[in-house]
Amino acid sequence: KAGVTQTPRYLIKTRGQQVTLSCSPISGHRSVSWYQQTPGQGLQFLFEYFSETQRNKGNFPGRFSGRQFSNSRSEMNVSTLELGDSALYLCASSLEAREGQYFGPGTRLTVT
Amino acid sequence: QKEVEQNSGPLSVPEGAIASLNCTYSDRGSQSFFWYRQYSGKSPELIMFIYSNGDKEDGRFTAQLNKASQYVSLLIRDSQPSDSATYLCAVKGGQAGTALIFGKGTTLSVSS
Repeated sequence: KAGVTQTPRYLIKTRGQQVTLSCSPISGHRSVSWYQQTPGQGLQFLFEYFSETQRNKGNFPGRFSGRQFSNSRSEMNVSTLELGDSALYLCASSLEAREGQYFGPGTRLTVT
Repeated sequence: QKEVEQNSGPLSVPEGAIASLNCTYSDRGSQSFFWYRQYSGKSPELIMFIYSNGDKEDGRFTAQLNKASQYVSLLIRDSQPSDSATYLCAVKGGQAGTALIFGKGTTLSVSS
């Protein structure tokens, strides 16, 4: 089975711009979660989508949003980018709520 | 109080030795416990999960869970230089629901 894929892998944006990141889960996985990883804060949960519905949300401002499509592919959007949004954004998918999540390679976002 | 705590290390062990990695968590409602390995510049890779008190073995890895003490550990037997990485403990369930709550990770260095 193919793993989780994320596009693009690298992105450079300017403060104030917006960005959209894409994630395709493992085939058959309906749950997709997004995480932000920074050296200072570690891995932090952004949100989770299941069957096109946001099932869980972390403690991030409203500038961070996401959605899931009927084929389970997911996108996350960050509007009005700030320097502090520079991070590795990771998407993870799982089959069942209780199970572990499998991570994609991530998108490295740099905001200048 | 941090939700998931790990000693940041580095933990240094010689090749062939047993590496012991520890993690404590604060939410007594947590139900699922995971260990991820993350090589520098890569995304986290799921290596073990455990739901019930006691030990769970998978090859050279053993996960141990003690819910009364809110303690999870990972033992790596016959450590190899290729095991050198950051090991992340994560918990799911309880107040966080379906989100994985990660510790900051322990860096393991195995010397040959």
